Amino acid sequence: DIQMTQSPSSLSASVGDRVTITCRASQGIRNDLGWYQQKPGKAPKRLIYAASSLQSGVPSRFSGSGSGTEFTLTISSLQPEDFATYYCLQHNNYPLTFGGGTKVEIK
Amino acid sequence: EVQLVESGGGLVKPGGSLRLSCAASGFTFSSYSMNWVRQAPGKGLEWVSYISTSSNYIYYADSVKGRFTISRDNTQNSLSLQMNSLRAEDTAVYYCARAASADDWGQGTLVTVSS
Repeated sequence: DIQMTQSPSSLSASVGDRVTITCRASQGIRNDLGWYQQKPGKAPKRLIYAASSLQSGVPSRFSGSGSGTEFTLTISSLQPEDFATYYCLQHNNYPLTFGGGTKVEIK
Repeated sequence: EVQLVESGGGLVKPGGSLRLSCAASGFTFSSYSMNWVRQAPGKGLEWVSYISTSSNYIYYADSVKGRFTISRDNTQNSLSLQMNSLRAEDTAVYYCARAASADDWGQGTLVTVSS
């Protein structure tokens, strides 16, 4: 199974801050990775697909990069509505595996 | 607009059974593989099961293999998950998610396994 190691598990940031979240795969997964945002009581919402492509309707302050084993989600200027938990998901191979999540909290 | 609506969750005793359904609309259901993903209270996301477009390929997480059965009806645009021999650790919100890349998700249905 492919393990996805996501860091940090939580962070505190202020509105306007630049935030970076990382996922590392235990083996190469090409660019078969998505990033998801989840707010309490809601379903996950995909932000980024194919590691770096922005999902339609998602603000351009979100961006993704990486390929192979190292991936990054960046929020260029954190907004109040961005406080949530973020997950990466690899779909290169089954079983699908998620990162452990990053909770972004208000400083 | 893609819509995925799960139903069938509820309270069940350990060892019991439950059948979840996911009604799909707004896209050509038969053209997409589907997944079930769950989330235990306060925990992260866990993939549960996958089914290909024609049900030729089916995969399960080790944690549910032999107890859960995924199926689909392309004539009814529906996805199902039959869950048997339920355990306390199966307590979670269960989501259906479209495609291998999980691009769209339903709102989830809560399954609680407790005596």
